[in-house]
Amino acid sequence: KNEVEQSPQNLTAQEGEFITINCSYSVGISALHWLQQHPGGGIVSLFMLSSGKKKHGRLIATINIQEKHSSLHITASHPRDSAVYICAVRSDGQKLVFGQGTRLTINP
Amino acid sequence: DAGVTQSPTHLIKTRGQQVTLRCSPKSGHDTVSWYQQALGQGPQFIFQYYEEEERQRGNFPDRFSGHQFPNYSSELNVNALLLGDSALYLCASSWDRYNEQFFGPGTRLTVL
Repeated sequence: KNEVEQSPQNLTAQEGEFITINCSYSVGISALHWLQQHPGGGIVSLFMLSSGKKKHGRLIATINIQEKHSSLHITASHPRDSAVYICAVRSDGQKLVFGQGTRLTINP
Repeated sequence: DAGVTQSPTHLIKTRGQQVTLRCSPKSGHDTVSWYQQALGQGPQFIFQYYEEEERQRGNFPDRFSGHQFPNYSSELNVNALLLGDSALYLCASSWDRYNEQFFGPGTRLTVL
């Protein structure tokens, strides 16, 4: 079993819908990252959080340390949000352990 | 302010060859981490360099080695290339080892 599990693996929605991507992890962590990867490979860091909730524009990330679970929400989704969203945790020292990613497609 | 840069963008090698990938960190960053991302998978941690020393290493064989220079730029070397080394190699930089990492665009390595 992977240390970091994401669900769903693939998600297709219509423009304007509210999107939720989930991340569960099985190890103790010092921080959790949400990343966005577009076709071609470039990765953009969206959030780094260790407790509570963070919001940036239409994106919201929450984490529940006790339940070892985090969610990434996108409000009023748009086709430009289509990308792979990756959850990564920092547990053992400095390294990041990544989930397998969630491929999000927003149709107009 | 330039972000993290990597070179080359794409590279094709044959089995048994050696390759060197390069990374320049974001201005003000002193830590560089390298990751391997196979097609359809999440990235896997290779190693991290801080103060010109390898500070932590993932589960990669000794064929994977690296270096960090005094200007904080870094190289990833892979010897005796295997077909399975074909992947996107990502570099990420941060200020200090525990802060948020910023990723470069990656180098796509194809081994034939």
